[in-house]
Amino acid sequence: KAGVTQTPRYLIKTRGQQVTLSCSPISGHRSVSWYQQTPGQGLQFLFEYFSETQRNKGNFPGRFSGRQFSNSRSEMNVSTLELGDSALYLCASTVGSGSTDTQYFGPGTRLTVL
Amino acid sequence: QQPVQSPQAVILREGEDAVINCSSSKALYSVHWYRQKHGEAPVFLMILLKGGEQKGHEKISASFNEKKQQSSLYLTASQLSYSGTYFCGTGGLPGNTPLVFGKGTRLSVIA
Repeated sequence: KAGVTQTPRYLIKTRGQQVTLSCSPISGHRSVSWYQQTPGQGLQFLFEYFSETQRNKGNFPGRFSGRQFSNSRSEMNVSTLELGDSALYLCASTVGSGSTDTQYFGPGTRLTVL
Repeated sequence: QQPVQSPQAVILREGEDAVINCSSSKALYSVHWYRQKHGEAPVFLMILLKGGEQKGHEKISASFNEKKQQSSLYLTASQLSYSGTYFCGTGGLPGNTPLVFGKGTRLSVIA
């Protein structure tokens, strides 16, 4: 069974630009969660999608948005990039609930904002 | 609310034991433990659910004290391969609250 895939793996953008990251969950998994990882802050929860609906949202500004498609693939978008958005963005998929089921993480997308 | 992990970092010699703690100010339904090696994605270790039993896998086990809203991860007879950053994630009711991770505990095992 293929694992969680994320594309692209690396991105370099400049301030003010926008970016879209993609996540393909494990086949059969309906829930996708997104996390931002920066040194010292650990994994910060962004949002969780289940069957195309946003089920939970973390404490991030509206510049961060996401969506999920009918095939469970998910995208997240960050508009008007800031230097502080530089981070590793991880997505994780689960069969059902992100809070009780095992989360399987993808390799992440390393975003650098210059 | 982000759970609090302690210690922030620990250095062990091979064969020594370690305990990593995870505390939350909120009522918990689940506690997850993950290990992340440098440059890699976090890897699942175990889940502890409210009302469930203490979990264990080889020399790594964990407990969940629901009343104190705490969990502890126990690593016994540590091996070099145990090195990495350990994260606890805490969850509320399924479907209602997301999994929220602590800042991590960096564990280094040296020969």
